[in-house]
Amino acid sequence: SYELTQPPSVSVSPGQTARITCSGDALPKKYAYWYQQKSGQAPVLVIYEDSKRPSGIPERFSGSSSGTMATLTISGAQVEDEADYYCYSTDSSGNRYVFGTGTKVTVL
Amino acid sequence: EVQLVESGGGLVQPGGSLKLSCAASGFTFSGSAMHWVRQASGKGLEWVGRIRSKANSYATAYAASVKGRFTISRDDSKNTAYLQMNSLKTEDTAVYYCLVYFDYWGQGTLVTVSS
Repeated sequence: SYELTQPPSVSVSPGQTARITCSGDALPKKYAYWYQQKSGQAPVLVIYEDSKRPSGIPERFSGSSSGTMATLTISGAQVEDEADYYCYSTDSSGNRYVFGTGTKVTVL
Repeated sequence: EVQLVESGGGLVQPGGSLKLSCAASGFTFSGSAMHWVRQASGKGLEWVGRIRSKANSYATAYAASVKGRFTISRDDSKNTAYLQMNSLKTEDTAVYYCLVYFDYWGQGTLVTVSS
């Protein structure tokens, strides 16, 4: 079955840049979406269609995609950005969706 | 305002069945694909399946882990999506969410499969 692979953890100091990668064979043809999930809460969409930011999401969140890798960048990370982050996309058929393995971002 | 409210969770024995509901409001439910996602305690998010709109023949798709055991349906007259879960296993224990437009999630309902 299709898989999206993310690093288990990323650590960054406040004000620095965090980059989270998501690798999947179908990403050259399928959009990536990114979710932030804080403990005990439902996920929040922070990037859709590879690089678009929903209203209300801070500008420090950006997304890009190249080849089989999508990337979520947090520029000038804040303590409140500590959370689990998941990429989300479909397989090559477009029928089945899958979440990435998840990345825990620590800002300290 | 988009609202999704899941219900129907609870404790069920292995091999049992449970039916979850997702009541929707604030958007055109009949024209929207509805997804179900689950998350076991301390684990990552797992896509369960989706149902498309009438215009797309109510087409369904499922994750391999639930295919043949779970069935998604909808009642557009009630603005409600359903997740029928049969032959439940302990590994199906999770919080189950419904999701629409990639952006809107319910609060989740807990399903516990245990003897």
